[in-house]
Formats: sequence, structure tokens, C-alpha cells
Amino acid sequence: QKEVEQDPGPLSVPEGAIVSLNCTYSNSAFQYFMWYRQYSRKGPELLMYTYSSGNKEDGRFTAQVDKSSKYISLFIRDSQPSDSATYLCAIVETSGSRLTFGEGTQLTVNP
Amino acid sequence: DTEVTQTPKHLVMGMTNKKSLKCEQHMGHRAMYWYKQKAKKPPELMFVYSYEKLSINESVPSRFSPECPNSSLLNLHLHALQPEDSALYLCASSQAAQGHYGYTFGSGTRLTVV
Repeated sequence: QKEVEQDPGPLSVPEGAIVSLNCTYSNSAFQYFMWYRQYSRKGPELLMYTYSSGNKEDGRFTAQVDKSSKYISLFIRDSQPSDSATYLCAIVETSGSRLTFGEGTQLTVNP
Repeated sequence: DTEVTQTPKHLVMGMTNKKSLKCEQHMGHRAMYWYKQKAKKPPELMFVYSYEKLSINESVPSRFSPECPNSSLLNLHLHALQPEDSALYLCASSQAAQGHYGYTFGSGTRLTVV
């Protein structure tokens, strides 16, 4: 079993839709949760970072963490064609420096 | 300056060549990393430099060797690579040595081994 599971998609939605991206994890030592966006042929860009259960909002993006279920989500409201990219969840242990990535979900927002 | 700068952006090398990838950050970050990313796959950690100490992913072959001349620079020396080493090589840095606040990635060097 992988430490972090993420549906690779691909996911295709119309412009303006609400997008839900999800990851599950198995290690209770994971305490820091991030979402990265990666455009084709570019490096990953940190979108959201959180370390507690609950919601964190930044503009059209909301990160949600449920530590009891070991489940994290990223919601994108009013999706735009410019949101088309691969979204990677990433998790860090309390004591470690290793970033464990999910497989990434490829998202296409159609105009 | 909130960037991690990687050079070159593209590199084509033969299996007998020696080349180096360079990475620079001026954010005062305390840790720097090399990752390898194959197409449609997540980045895989190769090396970590944190507080001037090197940590190695044991699965990385010796034909890759990192060098950290100072806290802002990180090089990756390449020698006798194989075609399967062709990938996007990403450098990253983090404010906290444990990476708790997330990593800042560079745009990567796209390496092709022929």
C-alpha cells in the first residue's frame, strides 16, 4: 500500500465548475499537508499548506484536512482554464524532512 | 527574491559525458533538495542538504553526486548516465530543515541522455 493515495485522473470539467481533489494517507505521523500545482514542463508550485484538521481558504482555493479519517482535499471554486495543471498532494512527517507526494491528478478546465 | 533558479533548462548528454546541474536560492532557506521526476509521475527525492549535512536516498546510483559549495548553491554532478536517467531534475529549498513549511521548487532541468 502506498503511503499517499491520489486518483491520477484525468479530470475534465467545464469552466466555472467546483473541482474536488482528494488524497488519503496511511501514516499517522504525517502532520503537515500541502497541495502543489504543476504546469507542463514546470516545477511544482506550492498552493496551500496546512498542519491542522479543518479548512484553510485562499481565494478560490480551499484545503481541507481530516486527520481522523486520514483524508485531505483541495477544492477549487469557479475553475478557470488557467487552472488546468497537475495537482499533487504532499505530506511531511513531524520529525522528517521527506516530502511524500501523491501520484498527482491531471485537471483540465474547458472554456 | 522568492525563486529557486536552475541552470541549464535543457541538457542533452551522451552516456560518456560529464555534466553538472546548478541550483541557486537567495531566500535564506536552510535545506536544499534534488528531485527526479519522470513523465506523469510525482517527484522522487534524490538528495537532501540540511545544515550542511547530506542525506542520500539509497536507491540513487553513484553516477549522480551532489555538491553544496555554500548554503545558497547546490550542484548535481552527472557522469556515465544511462538513457533511463532522462527526466526532469528539480531542485527545491525549504525554510525549515524539516520542510514543514513547504518547499519552493525551481523550474527544473530537462535532461536527455542519448
